[in-house]
Amino acid sequence: IVLTQSPDFQSVTPKEKVTITCRASQSIGSSLHWYQQKPDQSPKLLIKYASQSFSGVPSRFSGSGSGTDFTLTINSLEAEDAATYYCHQSSSLPYTFGQGTKLEIK
Amino acid sequence: HVQLQESGPGLVKPSGTLSLTCDVSGGSIGSSNWWSWVRQPPGKGLEWIGEIYYSGSTNYNPSLKSRVTISVDMSKNQFSLKLNSVTAADTAVYYCARKYYDLLTGYYVHLDFWGQGNLVTVSS
Repeated sequence: IVLTQSPDFQSVTPKEKVTITCRASQSIGSSLHWYQQKPDQSPKLLIKYASQSFSGVPSRFSGSGSGTDFTLTINSLEAEDAATYYCHQSSSLPYTFGQGTKLEIK
Repeated sequence: HVQLQESGPGLVKPSGTLSLTCDVSGGSIGSSNWWSWVRQPPGKGLEWIGEIYYSGSTNYNPSLKSRVTISVDMSKNQFSLKLNSVTAADTAVYYCARKYYDLLTGYYVHLDFWGQGNLVTVSS
């Protein structure tokens, strides 16, 4: 299953609302997860099963979608949110990741 | 919280075998979880390599299946990755991570904890 994220890169200002999309090449139900990776760090789980926040994740991060179209939303962006975001499907093997969306904070 | 730590050589010669170990602390590797390997070439995205259950059951990415072996050592609370016949294209940061079984929901939480990563360079 191929996951395609858009955009590949986005430059945004603090307090702005950001939306990242992830489209699957076939239906994956809600088996879609989102990760945040900051430079020189390992990825961190943000959202599991499309819309469930992982423990300890700030409430400004939310996810939605099902089937083939999914969205990660960051409300009121903060400077610390500068990172690359990846979607990941666990519907069928082999598990796959999107190509990543890099967020730059202006 | 569980902690994972990768270890192994940072340099492997072409056609050689890449070998990494992931030490698990703060929890038993023999619990109802799967243990995964993910890699990331420099400046690129993430690629799922495979996973293992404590019983020894494995799932591999078909793109690497002919060259990959993942094994588990319950006595040491660790699991390992071997990738043979490596080329420069296998140069990457290799991460180990946990797929956690949530007893309350009956669902797996995918890759909830990761190691810090181990850069492996394939070069002569």
